[in-house]
Amino acid sequence: EAQVTQNPRYLITVTGKKLTVTCSQNMNHEYMSWYRQDPGLGLRQIYYSMNVEVTDKGDVPEGYKVSRKEKRNFPLILESPSPNQTSLYFCASSLAGTSGKNEQFFGPGTRLTVL
Amino acid sequence: AQKITQTQPGMFVQEKEAVTLDCTYDTSDPSYGLFWYKQPSSGEMIFLIYQGSYDQQNATEGRYSLNFQKARKSANLVISASQLGDSAMYFCAMRGLLSGYSTLTFGKGTMLLVSP
Repeated sequence: EAQVTQNPRYLITVTGKKLTVTCSQNMNHEYMSWYRQDPGLGLRQIYYSMNVEVTDKGDVPEGYKVSRKEKRNFPLILESPSPNQTSLYFCASSLAGTSGKNEQFFGPGTRLTVL
Repeated sequence: AQKITQTQPGMFVQEKEAVTLDCTYDTSDPSYGLFWYKQPSSGEMIFLIYQGSYDQQNATEGRYSLNFQKARKSANLVISASQLGDSAMYFCAMRGLLSGYSTLTFGKGTMLLVSP
């Protein structure tokens, strides 16, 4: 089954304790992205990657890191989480290319609470 | 820069009626794509429908249709014959040529409640 998986689905942590949210897709997609969703703000892009070893900042990258060492994986790293990073996080993937039609497939989301 | 505006924080509709969810956009991209996603209370993002900026006809997918008015920069979602299962948050989004189709910009969403 074609899918994007994220782990963990739920996480409660404390300020300053480094954490990683994993994302993996099995569709051989070049493009992967991370979003955060906050009430009243919709989804905002954190980082994206057009292919292996190619990453770039989105609209809200502060406090986050990513890496793309393999095509299927795109982990999100919070080196020193703070309470304002409490949010619902989505990973997404799609084919890259010259068409805007490539639908983004979303993971199930990770609900993160930073105390 | 791209911007999506959804002016309706919430909408109510009775079962079996049609409902229109508004979406306007702002972009300088010569080519772009518009998307609608549904987010039920369980949280997942479900792709509903896509409209390309050069598509001649409005997109349709089952009970969903997209009323695309390019000159007005609007891309409203029309749901015909609403069902209780349509109660969810709906997001309009776009991606464009100038960003290499790399950035999907979302609106803030519209919460739709369908009553019996």
